[in-house]
Order: sequence, then structure tokens, then C-alpha cells
Amino acid sequence: GDSVTQMEGPVTLSEEAFLTINCTYTATGYPSLFWYVQYPGEGLQLLLKATKADDKGSNKGFEATYRKETTSFHLEKGSVQVSDSAVYFCALRNTGRRALTFGSGTRLQVQP
Amino acid sequence: DTAVSQTPKYLVTQMGNDKSIKCEQNLGHDTMYWYKQDSKKFLKIMFSYNNKELIINETVPNRFSPKSPDKAHLNLHINSLELGDSAVYFCASSQAGLEETQYFGPGTRLLVL
Repeated sequence: GDSVTQMEGPVTLSEEAFLTINCTYTATGYPSLFWYVQYPGEGLQLLLKATKADDKGSNKGFEATYRKETTSFHLEKGSVQVSDSAVYFCALRNTGRRALTFGSGTRLQVQP
Repeated sequence: DTAVSQTPKYLVTQMGNDKSIKCEQNLGHDTMYWYKQDSKKFLKIMFSYNNKELIINETVPNRFSPKSPDKAHLNLHINSLELGDSAVYFCASSQAGLEETQYFGPGTRLLVL
């Protein structure tokens, strides 16, 4: 079945540091890939998405590129802020299946 | 305007009770979902309805029963609550299509004592 693997957290960074959160997936077919963010005490918000190979999703300074050859969708940001502290979820939606399959989430803590 | 809303936001109850959680979306989407987030933050699909028809029913105890009175509403009723039901329950909605994206509600934090 489909699965998503994320790097374990927490990831602790200083403000303005470079961020990478690794995400790899296993799926048959051609899934769409997503990053969602969950701020403390809140629901999930869509951060960015990519629907086909080599697509780059971007939003709020975050980027991720759909790499089919490495089955990866790593999240990056050049300069993190304290306000980016949250849990980040990588997810996929496979062709013909409406539900999302989520990774286990990666907690990011940014210190001033 | 809230796109996907859930009530209640918090629910504290005793073991053995029956409770319901309600979800409404004003996005005009044709599909709604219930996800469960456990204490380790892991999210898993429970149910999905498309135009009031059940299309996803994962391995969930029979004590959980979803109901969709119309395509803008999806409720979750839980009978005989157990300690292990304590979790955050998220409602989501989406519209079928190539660019399909799910939008989530704020979650209902259920604590069974």
C-alpha cells in the first residue's frame, strides 16, 4: 500500500537558519504530493502541493520539488522564523483514491 | 468566513457515553472526510462521503458511525466511548478533479475519562 516517510523530529533551528525536512514516499501510479502545517492547537493548513513529476510547489518561502526518480518531496526554506515553529506533515493522494496518506509529522522548533 | 467548521472544539466525556461531532463546509465541495489524529500526531483516514454516499470506510470499530444529511455536512457519532478513542478528529472536504486539494477543519479534541 501507499506510505509516506518523514524524518523524525524535533528539528531545532536558530532563526534565519536553512531548513530541510525530508519526505519520501512509496506508491503505485502517479500520486499528488502535499505539505500541510499544523500550528500549536490548530488544524491542518495546506502549505504547498505538486501534482506531477518535477513540479515545484512554493508558498510563504517554503519550497518542495516532486522528484519521481528518488520518490521524494523534501521541504525547504532558506531562512526560518520563530513563527514557523509547527508540525509539518508530508502527504500523498494516489490516483483513484480520494483519501490522503500522511507521514508521521516533523516538529520544527525555531529559537530566536 | 470559515471554510470547514467543526463542533464542538473540545469534548470531555466519560467512558461508555455516546457523543457526536458535527462538520460543515461552505466550499461547495462534493466530498467530505473524517481523519483521526492520535497522541503521537499520526493522522489516519476513517471515512469519506461523496455526495452523501459512503466511499471510504477504513478499519474502524462499529461504534463509529458517520452520517451525511447533505453534501455540506458530515457528522460522526461514537457509541460506548472507550479510553482509546481519545484523539483529535479532523473533518476535511475536497472537490474531485486533477488539482484536488483537501481543506481541513480546526479539529475536535476528544478526551475520554
